[in-house]
Amino acid sequence: QKEVEQDPGPLSVPEGAIVSLNCTYSNSAFQYFMWYRQYSRKGPELLMYTYSSGNKEDGRFTAQVDKSSKYISLFIRDSQPSDSATYLCAILLIHRDDKIIFGKGTRLHILP
Amino acid sequence: DVKVTQSSRYLVKRTGEKVFLECVQDMDHENMFWYRQDPGLGLRLIYFSYDVKMKEKGDIPEGYSVSREKKERFSLILESASTNQTSMYLCLTVDSGNTIYFGEGSWLTVV
Repeated sequence: QKEVEQDPGPLSVPEGAIVSLNCTYSNSAFQYFMWYRQYSRKGPELLMYTYSSGNKEDGRFTAQVDKSSKYISLFIRDSQPSDSATYLCAILLIHRDDKIIFGKGTRLHILP
Repeated sequence: DVKVTQSSRYLVKRTGEKVFLECVQDMDHENMFWYRQDPGLGLRLIYFSYDVKMKEKGDIPEGYSVSREKKERFSLILESASTNQTSMYLCLTVDSGNTIYFGEGSWLTVV
């Protein structure tokens, strides 16, 4: 089983809809969970990160972690065309040599 | 603001050429990483380093080497570039608070 699994999409939703992006992971030792947004020809930019199970909100974005199910989600409310991008989940294992595992990314298209 | 600088943003090299990709960070971070990003394959770890002169192989080290002579600089070296190394290369660092900082990426085309 891959350490992090993420559906590559593409995912197309109408403007204003709620978007749900998901990743699953296999190693229960992972401790930090991040979501990055990447526009075409740009490096990833951090959207949100969380350490514990539960929800974390920032504006229209909500990150959710369920450690018991090894499942992380990013919800986008009131989606906008400017949200069209690739979204990557990333998981960090704290160690002497920190190990960062990225999902493959989900391409999201918000249709005006 | 922490800066992770990849000086070469867009390169075109010939097969067999030696290629250097430089990454410089200005915040004294110990951990530095090189990834490549390809459509459908996501970000794959090539090499990482957690101290000066220390290096560890990632998931796809073949065809690459690295150099960390100074803490702020982590170089990725393609000894003999091949067309299958055409990709976007991303450098990143992690601070002691486990915040990840990305460079802007280096787009390499090998012809």
